[in-house]
Amino acid sequence: DVKVTQSSRYLVKRTGEKVFLECVQDMDHENMFWYRQDPGLGLRLIYFSYDVKMKEKGDIPEGYSVSREKKERFSLILESASTNQTSMYLCASSSRTGATDTQYFGPGTRLTVL
Amino acid sequence: AQKVTQAQTEISVVEKEDVTLDCVYETRDTTYYLFWYKQPPSGELVFLIRRNSFDEQNEISGRYSWNFQKSTSSFNFTITASQVVDSAVYFCALSEGSNSGYALNFGKGTSLLVTP
Repeated sequence: DVKVTQSSRYLVKRTGEKVFLECVQDMDHENMFWYRQDPGLGLRLIYFSYDVKMKEKGDIPEGYSVSREKKERFSLILESASTNQTSMYLCASSSRTGATDTQYFGPGTRLTVL
Repeated sequence: AQKVTQAQTEISVVEKEDVTLDCVYETRDTTYYLFWYKQPPSGELVFLIRRNSFDEQNEISGRYSWNFQKSTSSFNFTITASQVVDSAVYFCALSEGSNSGYALNFGKGTSLLVTP
């Protein structure tokens, strides 16, 4: 079974803090993704990575950065958290072979910024 | 522009009723893939099905069935004899062949509530 794990299910941070959200997958997938999910807006892509040290901006990259130093790990960084970044964050991964676009998701991190 | 439209925001049914969730997509690509995901209250998105643009055969998996019609750009999902455990948010998504990042375009989701 594909396993995508995220470091925290719930996180509470203060405005201005630097926040790290970690995602690890155990299926040797090349592609990894970060989404945020908000009521009425669905899932929106923040960043994705198709290889180690590679990254591409998604639809809403402002206020975020990412890091992919190892194939299995993809980190989302909020350099200076703001209240409008309160959201559910979902990580996903997919393979570059076979059904290349089937994404498998982690359990999500619900972040609250006070 | 929204590439995947799920017009039903919320649906409420009584257990054992059949329910259909609508999905309409928009793409200029001839090669594309369509997906359905389920998000139960626990939050994790669970992959249900992937269908490519060249395969219009309907698919059935237990109580779940999918109707893909290119003529109407629709990929509808039917749950037969619904159960309380089917209560979740369901997302339809599109992957286009021209998108080198393999990113998915998601609809905004349909929240399904099945009551006893």
